[in-house]
Amino acid sequence: GAVVSQHPSWVICKSGTSVKIECRSLDFQATTMFWYRQFPKQSLMLMATSNEGSKATYEQGVEKDKFLINHASLTLSTLTVTSAHPEDSSFYICSARDRRGPYNEQFFGPGTRLTVL
Amino acid sequence: KQEVTQIPAALSVPEGENLVLNCSFTDSAIYNLQWFRQDPGKGLTSLLLIQSSQREQTSGRLNASLDKSSGRSTLYIAASQPGDSATYLCAVRKANFGNEKLTFGTGTRLTIIP
Repeated sequence: GAVVSQHPSWVICKSGTSVKIECRSLDFQATTMFWYRQFPKQSLMLMATSNEGSKATYEQGVEKDKFLINHASLTLSTLTVTSAHPEDSSFYICSARDRRGPYNEQFFGPGTRLTVL
Repeated sequence: KQEVTQIPAALSVPEGENLVLNCSFTDSAIYNLQWFRQDPGKGLTSLLLIQSSQREQTSGRLNASLDKSSGRSTLYIAASQPGDSATYLCAVRKANFGNEKLTFGTGTRLTIIP
């Protein structure tokens, strides 16, 4: 299957700072990428859908000014958590849709663990 | 609004046993359904994808079935092994548009007892 990478795999930051997470599709071009958030022992919650070259579409209740998403190329999307606070601590997972196959299958990155002190 | 439920939330079985995980969804108008595995602190690994026109898919010891009209899917794991211990998630997709999102189930946390 297609490979999606995330960087960093974990990050610890102080409250009030901003953190950028990168998501890359390594062997395919992804016109659509998705960002999810996962709390302990819970399922994935979709935060936003991003399309290359256009503004992201945020899910209800997700602050777009706090979670900045940039999908500047067909292989890279970034999520920036601005002015992070302890309640932003979570596991963030990105996903990219591979349109080469017949079913536009979605592949997931390994996740980024964010801890805000 | 599509809702996806997985029962049970947690399951423990002795090694070697066969087992079935259940997934149900409220809106039967789906494009496809996927089963994923998630190990603690890791991302998701796709196990099987079933198109709405298909009844089942098999990969090794895994077999997934789909009954779209009743809104149900099962994941059958044969001859379970300790390495199968993980959280299993099912997800449905409504249509084949590029932006169409997956709706995830609540997950089943599986523990295989050696």
